[in-house]
Amino acid sequence: AQTVTQSQPEMSVQEAETVTLSCTYDTSESDYYLFWYKQPPSRQMILVIRQEAYKQQNATENRFSVNFQKAAKSFSLKISDSQLGDAAMYFCAYRSYDMRFGAGTRLTVKP
Amino acid sequence: GAGVSQSPRYKVAKRGQDVALRCDPISGHVSLFWYQQALGQGPEFLTYFQNEAQLDKSGLPSDRFFAERPEGSVSTLKIQRTQQEDSAVYLCASSHGENTEAFFGQGTRLTVV
Repeated sequence: AQTVTQSQPEMSVQEAETVTLSCTYDTSESDYYLFWYKQPPSRQMILVIRQEAYKQQNATENRFSVNFQKAAKSFSLKISDSQLGDAAMYFCAYRSYDMRFGAGTRLTVKP
Repeated sequence: GAGVSQSPRYKVAKRGQDVALRCDPISGHVSLFWYQQALGQGPEFLTYFQNEAQLDKSGLPSDRFFAERPEGSVSTLKIQRTQQEDSAVYLCASSHGENTEAFFGQGTRLTVV
């Protein structure tokens, strides 16, 4: 089965600064999708950004962008101009047909 | 409905009791997932449906866990003879296609006492 690894259990960032969350995955597939989800304390999982493996261009959604390195099987999330509302658990997810998640990174934003 | 709906939101069960957790996916969504999430952990995959077919149930932790989606829409996760270690939040998610993003419900928090 595919595995997803998030090596940073916790990260902290100053408001308005930039932070990068790491994710690696293991797969033998060539066609798949990668996602970052955010889970605030309310527990509703919210999609932040998605990346198709066949696309070389890194996905961007407003202040959120990814650095997708297919050969290295790496998929990091960069949050620019961090806001207090960005504080949450962030999960990296891999999908070929089913969907598997990493253990998560808890992001704290300091005012 | 507009989103994925799970019921009940909270369930307290006595050890040994059977429970049934319901998931109403977004209308028209083909794929449906169940996950188990312990406090402070990531969602652990339980099972995956495509329409009414259960394509992967490799994550179900024991034969006490059973999931069904008989008409390809609503799904039920059943846990028989609940144990304390079954206490967790159970998340349901659905997606339109095989490789699109999944939309999550708010989860059912199960506490076994």
